[in-house]
Amino acid sequence: EPEVTQTPSHQVTQMGQEVILRCVPISNHLYFYWYRQILGQKVEFLVSFYNNEISEKSEIFDDQFSVERPDGSNFTLKIRSTKLEDSAMYFCASLGADLGYGYTFGSGTRLTVV
Amino acid sequence: RKEVEQDPGPFNVPEGATVAFNCTYSNSASQSFFWYRQDCRKEPKLLMSVYSSGNEDGRFTAQLNRASQYISLLIRDSKLSDSATYLCVVLDLMDSSYKLIFGSGTRLLVRP
Repeated sequence: EPEVTQTPSHQVTQMGQEVILRCVPISNHLYFYWYRQILGQKVEFLVSFYNNEISEKSEIFDDQFSVERPDGSNFTLKIRSTKLEDSAMYFCASLGADLGYGYTFGSGTRLTVV
Repeated sequence: RKEVEQDPGPFNVPEGATVAFNCTYSNSASQSFFWYRQDCRKEPKLLMSVYSSGNEDGRFTAQLNRASQYISLLIRDSKLSDSATYLCVVLDLMDSSYKLIFGSGTRLLVRP
């Protein structure tokens, strides 16, 4: 079964440092997403990416965040200057043309900002 | 008003019990509907899509009522392994962009 792969599984970083979270979506999928989940809270939408550009972003996705799909396979989320409140699970997801199958999520990156 | 609303639970039931979860959504134009399951500190995994005609997958039955904007999930003959958080999820189309909107989840604990 096709998978969405995320690396690293856990990242610890100091406040103010830049982090890059990496994702390899399912190859024939068209839509790519980042979601985050703060411990004990709901899954929150960050950004969607389609046709090599951001199609929508949430209020959480401020100027500190950026996404790229540099080589047609990897999909990255960069946080320029991390804050303590950025500590969360970050899930990458992709969606194929058949919307009825829902998203496939990666196993997530646990980001801990200290 | 929350976009997708669920009873947070927890639902604590014995093995073999039948349990039902409910969910309401606010956007009448929502495109597709799903139940996801999330285990502690893991990613959400698709349990089943939900159709207006109702659909069943083994012990799980999902129902959608578009007029009432209401989604349900019924689990029969609960197993210990069913213990998890069940997320009601809708797919919205806004400005040509698709987006999943998650409920906060209903926690299920099945006891021996």
